Amino acid sequence: EVQLVESGGGLVQPGRSLRLSCAASGFTFDDYAMHWVRQAPGKGLEWVSGISWNSGSIGYADSVKGRFTISRDNAKNSLYLQMNSLRAEDTALYYCAKSSGWYRKPFDYWGQGTLVTVSS
Amino acid sequence: DIQLTQSPSFLSASVGDRVTITCRASQGISSYLAWYQQKPGKAPKLLIYAASTLQSGVPSRFSGSGSGTEFTLTISSLQPEDFATYYCQQLNSYPRTFGPGTKVDIK
Repeated sequence: EVQLVESGGGLVQPGRSLRLSCAASGFTFDDYAMHWVRQAPGKGLEWVSGISWNSGSIGYADSVKGRFTISRDNAKNSLYLQMNSLRAEDTALYYCAKSSGWYRKPFDYWGQGTLVTVSS
Repeated sequence: DIQLTQSPSFLSASVGDRVTITCRASQGISSYLAWYQQKPGKAPKLLIYAASTLQSGVPSRFSGSGSGTEFTLTISSLQPEDFATYYCQQLNSYPRTFGPGTKVDIK
C-alpha cells in the first residue's frame, strides 16, 4: 500500500525557515517524480515544486522560486521542502504527492498534508 | 507560464443530473491534462489523466475529453458521493498549474 506521510509543519514567524519532510513507502521511491502542492485555508490547490526521480529536473512555482528548495533522498525514501524567508501568504496545508511516472504524469497518490502557519 | 481557467466556478445540481465542467488552457498542452476530485478535509483524488483516461477504480460515470486548449469533465449521472470540488491540472510543463476549481453542490 502506497503511503505518503508529511511532517515538519507548524507555527513560524515571518522571515523564518521551516523544513518539511515526506516519508514514502509501498512503492519503489526512486522510480517516480515527486511534488509538493499546497492549499491555503478555504482556497484552491497550488502546485509548489516538483523533482524528477534522480533530482535532475526540478521546477518551482513563481511564488516560491528563490525561497524554497525541493530535494529527495532516495536511500531514505524521503522528499523534502526547505522553506526560507517565509511569508504570511505561505500559510497553507502542504501535500506531498507522487507522480505516476517519471515525466508529465499526474499525481496518483497524496499524503494527508502538514499545516504551515506563518504568523507573528 | 500556462494559466488554466474553469467554468463554472460553482454548480448546483441534483442527483441523476448530467454535469459538465470546462477547463481552458492559455496555450496548447496537447492531452497533458488531469482532473482531480477533492472533498472537504481530504486530499485530492485523481479521476482522469491524459485528458480522457479514467484512473483505475474511478466509476465509469466520469469521463473526460479535449485536447489542445479546451477540455471537459463530464459526470453522466451525478451521485450523492460526487458532491465535491473538481480541479484540472496541466502536466505539459513547469509550473504544473491547477485550475481554480469548480464546486459541485446539491440543488
